[in-house]
Amino acid sequence: DAGVIQSPRHEVTEMGQEVTLRCKPISGHNSLFWYRQTMMRGLELLIYFNNNVPIDDSGMPEDRFSAKMPNASFSTLKIQPSEPRDSAVYFCASSHRDREHGYTFGSGTRLTVV
Amino acid sequence: GESVGLHLPTLSVQEGDNSIINCAYSNSASDYFIWYKQESGKGPQFIIDIRSNMDKRQGQRVTVLLNKTVKHLSLQIAATQPGDSAVYFCAEILSSGGSYIPTFGRGTSLIVHP
Repeated sequence: DAGVIQSPRHEVTEMGQEVTLRCKPISGHNSLFWYRQTMMRGLELLIYFNNNVPIDDSGMPEDRFSAKMPNASFSTLKIQPSEPRDSAVYFCASSHRDREHGYTFGSGTRLTVV
Repeated sequence: GESVGLHLPTLSVQEGDNSIINCAYSNSASDYFIWYKQESGKGPQFIIDIRSNMDKRQGQRVTVLLNKTVKHLSLQIAATQPGDSAVYFCAEILSSGGSYIPTFGRGTSLIVHP
């Protein structure tokens, strides 16, 4: 199993540009989570999906952030327009809802907005 | 002005020593706990878990202790090795609508000196 796959690994963009982060969960996992990690706030849950349906997006900081999961094998997190304070590492994680310990993180996308 | 990030608690040990990393959790209803290890440039990786009906669980070189009275978790690493150097997070998990939603602590940086 290739694990949770995120792309790109690094993204540098100018303020105001649209950024799209991508995630492929582990096959068979039916829950998907997006996290943001910064030194100031640690790991913050942004949104999670069960069976491709968004369940809780209360962690999404602003309307500039949106997430979709069009099918069981793909999810995107979009920031539009991006701002310097969005600079962080964004992690995707997936799990099977019936097996708590099968909660696996991707390698993350390091986003820098200049 | 310059933004200063919060520094993680740091534990420095000598190779071969035993390490103990502590974590306080917040929700007495949390029913499952996980310790993660995060190496530089990587996502958090599962180390060991424990259910709330247990007070101790052992793995290979690692032991997790749970004290529900004071809402405290600890991770003990025996014979610490340089490869154990990383940031360690505890996560408390509350089942919600069939999903297991981890809430992460701030993390502790473990530095192992050869």
